[in-house]
Amino acid sequence: GENVEQHPSTLSVQEGDSAVIKCTYSDSASNYFPWYKQELGKGPQLIIDIRSNVGEKKDQRIAVTLNKTAKHFSLHITETQPEDSAVYFCAASLSSGYSTLTFGKGTMLLVSP
Amino acid sequence: SAVISQKPSRDICQRGTSLTIQCQVDSQVTMMFWYRQQPGQSLTLIATANQGSEATYESGFVIDKFPISRPNLTFSTLTVSNMSPEDSSIYLCSVEVLRPSTDTQYFGPGTRLTVL
Repeated sequence: GENVEQHPSTLSVQEGDSAVIKCTYSDSASNYFPWYKQELGKGPQLIIDIRSNVGEKKDQRIAVTLNKTAKHFSLHITETQPEDSAVYFCAASLSSGYSTLTFGKGTMLLVSP
Repeated sequence: SAVISQKPSRDICQRGTSLTIQCQVDSQVTMMFWYRQQPGQSLTLIATANQGSEATYESGFVIDKFPISRPNLTFSTLTVSNMSPEDSSIYLCSVEVLRPSTDTQYFGPGTRLTVL
């Protein structure tokens, strides 16, 4: 089955800096890669996703890049703010009308003012 | 997207008892999923609940321990049976929303279960 590795496990940045979280996946058939943000005491919130026919996707301060050859994808957050502090999870799935997501272990991002 | 609610939001239970968690979504969805998230850990899929059929369980999870109901397209329940302290976790439901060429899962707020 699919295996998703996520790094780093914790990331501390100063407000205004950029943050990058990287994930690798094992199943070359996977074609859907969402990112979730989970704040303390809340459920995961989808923040951005990318499909395998696209190499990069951007939404304001957040971007995701995908390298299918190397089987890795990354989340980039620019101009970080304290409210970006949360746990971020990457996931991968084979989208075929029945998507079973395999999650990475998560990255705790701390943005200091 | 979809708005998902779960009840209860949290509970403290005694070992040996059972708890039923409800998941309600504001629109009709085909696929609903139940996950477990142990403290400080990632999400692990328990089972997939498709309306009108038996739930499909992942390796390590069995129906006797985690019976699931899916009576209609907006509601599902997960029961945690004969609980032990090892069942203390956050239980999350999610739904798959089909958009053109996109299959996306949205999560509920979770149920925080503590078993004493």
